[in-house]
Amino acid sequence: GENVEQHPSTLSVQEGDSAVIKCTYSDSASNYFPWYKQELGKRPQLIIDIRSNVGEKKDQRIAVTLNKTAKHFSLHITETQPEDSAVYFCAGTGNTPLVFGKGTRLSVIA
Amino acid sequence: DVKVTQSSRYLVKRTGEKVFLECVQDMDHENMFWYRQDPGLGLRLIYFSYDVKMKEKGDIPEGYSVSREKKERFSLILESASTNQTSMYLCASNLQGRNYGYTFGSGTRLTVV
Repeated sequence: GENVEQHPSTLSVQEGDSAVIKCTYSDSASNYFPWYKQELGKRPQLIIDIRSNVGEKKDQRIAVTLNKTAKHFSLHITETQPEDSAVYFCAGTGNTPLVFGKGTRLSVIA
Repeated sequence: DVKVTQSSRYLVKRTGEKVFLECVQDMDHENMFWYRQDPGLGLRLIYFSYDVKMKEKGDIPEGYSVSREKKERFSLILESASTNQTSMYLCASNLQGRNYGYTFGSGTRLTVV
């Protein structure tokens, strides 16, 4: 089955800097890769997703890139703000339930 | 706005008790899932269901069962609660196409003493 690995487990950046979180997956049949943000004490919320027929997708300060050959995908947050501090999860699936990475705790230091 | 509602935010139960965690969604989603979330382990799939009366085991089903008698409701059952089942439990749902992002409930933090 699918295995999703996520790095780093913790990340601290200065406000205004960029943050990058990377994930790899094992199943070449996987074709859908969402990212979730979970603020302290709240539910995970979908922030962006990408499908395997697309190499990059942007939504304001957030972008996701996908390299199908290398089987990895990344979340990029530019101009980070304190409200970006949260735990971020990547996930992947082909035709089965989502398999999640272990999460990255992002701290944006003002 | 899609809502996934979990009946309890916090629960404290004793070892050996039978525990029911309820999840209801109001957007006619076919698919429903139960995950548990533990620090450093991420979200791990316990059980899922793609239709009423249907259930399939996830990665960590031992010690759990589920019930889906109605489309909108998916219940997680701990047959005999143990301390290693102390965790945050998250319910989620999505559309039948499967490759759509989940909507999560707010979670139930279960403590077994």
